[in-house]
Amino acid sequence: KNQVEQSPQSLIILEGKNCTLQCNYTVSPFSNLRWYKQDTGRGPVSLTIMTFSENTKSNGRYTATLDADTKQSSLHITASQLSDSASYICVVSATGGSYIPTFGRGTSLIVHP
Amino acid sequence: NAGVMQNPRHLVRRRGQEARLRCSPMKGHSHVYWYRQLPEEGLKFMVYLQKENIIDESGMPKERFSAEFPKEGPSILRIQQVVRGDSAAYFCASSPDRGSISEQFFGPGTRLTVL
Repeated sequence: KNQVEQSPQSLIILEGKNCTLQCNYTVSPFSNLRWYKQDTGRGPVSLTIMTFSENTKSNGRYTATLDADTKQSSLHITASQLSDSASYICVVSATGGSYIPTFGRGTSLIVHP
Repeated sequence: NAGVMQNPRHLVRRRGQEARLRCSPMKGHSHVYWYRQLPEEGLKFMVYLQKENIIDESGMPKERFSAEFPKEGPSILRIQQVVRGDSAAYFCASSPDRGSISEQFFGPGTRLTVL
């Protein structure tokens, strides 16, 4: 069964600090992995996408890594800002079938001033 | 290019009533996905539609729930005889094609409250 597990479930950090969110998956055959940011009361917005051959992708202060061998990904946020407070969702897609991705439950990040 | 539109943003229904949730995909997108999100839970896939066709409804309850995406007009998620357990945020996403690499763009969601 395809599964995506994220840790930690929630995280509180001070503004300006860095943090790293983790994602482990068992989706197969692997196609791609996306990290989404979901602000409270809004729909998710894609931050990065990585395919099998990519092991790092940056989007401003967000850097995602992928280890396809261990089936792990991380999202690193540098110099956090108050606006980074949100839920971060790891989403993994498989090839074939109806292309319905598998969603993690998300990590809730709170950045305090 | 407007993003994915959903309406209403908030919907309150009493038990036993019907709820109709609408989703207008991004311009040029013909693939629509519906998801349900309970408080403190992740997004759960419900149904995947292409114009006039249901491609995958494996996540949608067999009873009381139905979805359509007509040739003209928005996609509709319909919940008949709502119960308190239907209270959730319902998100619609659209994509330009079917490939697994294709990004899904999400709407702002409809928050359904069943009294």
